[in-house]
Amino acid sequence: SQTIHQWPATLVQPVGSPLSLECTVEGTSNPNLYWYRQAAGRGLQLLFYSVGIGQISSEVPQNLSASRPQDRQFILSSKKLLLSDSGFYLCAWSAGQDEKLFFGSGTQLSVL
Amino acid sequence: QQQVKQSPQSLIVQKGGISIINCAYENTAFDYFPWYQQFPGKGPALLIAIRPDVSEKKEGRFTISFNKSAKQFSLHIMDSQPGDSATYFCAASYRGAQKLVFGQGTRLTINP
Repeated sequence: SQTIHQWPATLVQPVGSPLSLECTVEGTSNPNLYWYRQAAGRGLQLLFYSVGIGQISSEVPQNLSASRPQDRQFILSSKKLLLSDSGFYLCAWSAGQDEKLFFGSGTQLSVL
Repeated sequence: QQQVKQSPQSLIVQKGGISIINCAYENTAFDYFPWYQQFPGKGPALLIAIRPDVSEKKEGRFTISFNKSAKQFSLHIMDSQPGDSATYFCAASYRGAQKLVFGQGTRLTINP
């Protein structure tokens, strides 16, 4: 069966520090991968998605970037965090043209 | 036109009652309408989904009602239980999960 791993679960970072969040998927090949952000009490905002290695689509301009160095690995990064980057970050995957989206357990990021 | 509007933002229901959450959309190209359930500190999980060729879909205590002409769909939770307390997101998409558009979420509380 397919599983998605996301870490760390919580992270407290100072303003101006770098960020690296990692997500890996097991049990499937060539998944579509996604990074979402959820602000407190708000909805889900799609940040990036990837349909293959090295293929990244950005949905909103921001202080973040994403990379997909391997088929089942998706990384969210920032060179210098802003206060506004705080939030709950979710990795997700889907298969091919299937609309079903499967989420990881999320990373709660607090930028202080 | 890409928005999905969800209401109410929060809902309190007594144990055993019926919880109803509503969503409305504008884009008639949408052809997949899922509901996701999210517990605090966790990622959303797919609960139930419907396509516009049917007006209702039931899975256990959860039912989606779909009104194509009104461009509205709703989630009904029968015999609501305290364990149903969570945030619920409606969504809509066409041509795959990359195009999934989420509502703003409804925080449901079931009082014992």
